[in-house]
Amino acid sequence: ETGVTQSPTHLIKTRGQQVTLRCSSQSGHNTVSWYQQALGQGPQFIFQYYREEENGRGNFPPRFSGLQFPNYSSELNVNALELDDSALYLCASSHRGPPYEQYFGPGTRLTVT
Amino acid sequence: DQQVKQNSPSLSVQEGRISILNCDYTNSMFDYFLWYKKYPAEGPTFLISISSIKDKNEDGRFTVFLNKSAKHLSLHIVPSQPGDSAVYFCAASGEGNQGGKLIFGQGTELSVKP
Repeated sequence: ETGVTQSPTHLIKTRGQQVTLRCSSQSGHNTVSWYQQALGQGPQFIFQYYREEENGRGNFPPRFSGLQFPNYSSELNVNALELDDSALYLCASSHRGPPYEQYFGPGTRLTVT
Repeated sequence: DQQVKQNSPSLSVQEGRISILNCDYTNSMFDYFLWYKKYPAEGPTFLISISSIKDKNEDGRFTVFLNKSAKHLSLHIVPSQPGDSAVYFCAASGEGNQGGKLIFGQGTELSVKP
């Protein structure tokens, strides 16, 4: 059973640029969620995708967008990067429905300068 | 508005003793609660979960207790081992259209000393 993978591991971008982060789900999972983890904080829910549609969104602006593909892999896109977007971005895959156990990838560390 | 809170940023325990990590929540609509462990440079690892219809769930050395009236849950690790040293996060989820949108606490860093 292959776990959740994310790419790239690290990324440095300049304020105002755009970035795309990628995630491959654990086999058998049909739901992908993205989280942002700032230093010293818990992960914050960005959005969730199920059957290629957004299925809920946290308190993040529209410049955070995503995609889910037929093979359940996913992308997170962030436009017009701001310094505060510097964080660890975590992808998690799961089955849809309770008990909502999600399995996380190692994350992508984004630094915006 | 912090819906899930872990008020202890750190905890130090001797190997072999019990570790108790605490978590409080404010939203009575939460139906599921989960604990994750995180090592540096890795993603969070799922440990154990509990539904709001239960007050205890046990898996090996890990036991989660839920007190709904107090809106409080705790994770007990017995016996604690040095490999348990990590940051522990509690998380909560509602159900239905709120299901799976995990709300995390700030984390508690556990250090288990040999």
